[in-house]
Amino acid sequence: EAGVTQFPSHSVIEKGQTVTLRCDPISGHDNLYWYRRVMGKEIKFLLHFVKESKQDESGMPNNRFLAERTGGTYSTLKVQPAELEDSGVYFCASSQDRASYEQYFGPGTRLTVT
Amino acid sequence: QKEVEQDPGPLSVPEGAIVSLNCTYSNSAFQYFMWYRQYSRKGPELLMYTYSSGNKEDGRFTAQVDKSSKYISLFIRDSQPSDSATYLCAMNAASSASKIIFGSGTRLSIRP
Repeated sequence: EAGVTQFPSHSVIEKGQTVTLRCDPISGHDNLYWYRRVMGKEIKFLLHFVKESKQDESGMPNNRFLAERTGGTYSTLKVQPAELEDSGVYFCASSQDRASYEQYFGPGTRLTVT
Repeated sequence: QKEVEQDPGPLSVPEGAIVSLNCTYSNSAFQYFMWYRQYSRKGPELLMYTYSSGNKEDGRFTAQVDKSSKYISLFIRDSQPSDSATYLCAMNAASSASKIIFGSGTRLSIRP
C-alpha cells in the first residue's frame, strides 16, 4: 500500500511568487491534514479536511494560504504571494478515523522563499 | 509559553545504552500522547501512543505518561545505531482530536 506522497519534494521561489504544493493521501483515508515546520520551530498544525470539507483551519497563518481538496482525494496548498517567512517544510498527513492520533505523514515539501 | 516543551539535544550515547527522552506540557486537556521518530529528510513516523496516564511497552521502547506532573517519557533499551533520528513528542486533546501538538524534537545519535 502506497503511503502519503507529496509533490514537489523541494521548491525554491522568489518572494511575491505563487507556489502550489500537492498531497496524495493513503487510499481510503477521508481525513487529510496539513502541517508545517519553519526553521528552528516545532511542527505546527495548519488545517484538517474530512473528505472535501474543511473541518478545522484554525492553524492557517493568513489569507495568503489556500487549501483545497476537490473530490475528497488529493489536496493542494497554495501560497500566494509567498513571503520569506513562509520558508519551511510542509507536511501532509492522512488518517482513516476523524479523531485520530494515528496520522501517517508524507515526506514533506521543503519550500524556500528567496 | 509553549504548550509542549522538549529538550532539542543533541543527545549522543554509545550503542547498547538506555536512552531517556522527555517532554513536559501545560495543557491538562491533553489525553493522547504520542512519540514520533523522524529520519533526516523524511516525515514523522508514529512510534507509540498512550492514552491518559500509564506505561506502554513495545519491544525495546517504553512510553510513560504522568498526567499529575504533566510529564511524558520515552525509553529506548539496547539502543542501536539505527535508532539515530529526531524523536518528537506529540499530544492532543479530545476537544480538538485532529490537531496534534508537537514538541520541537530531540536529535538522538547512537555511537557504534
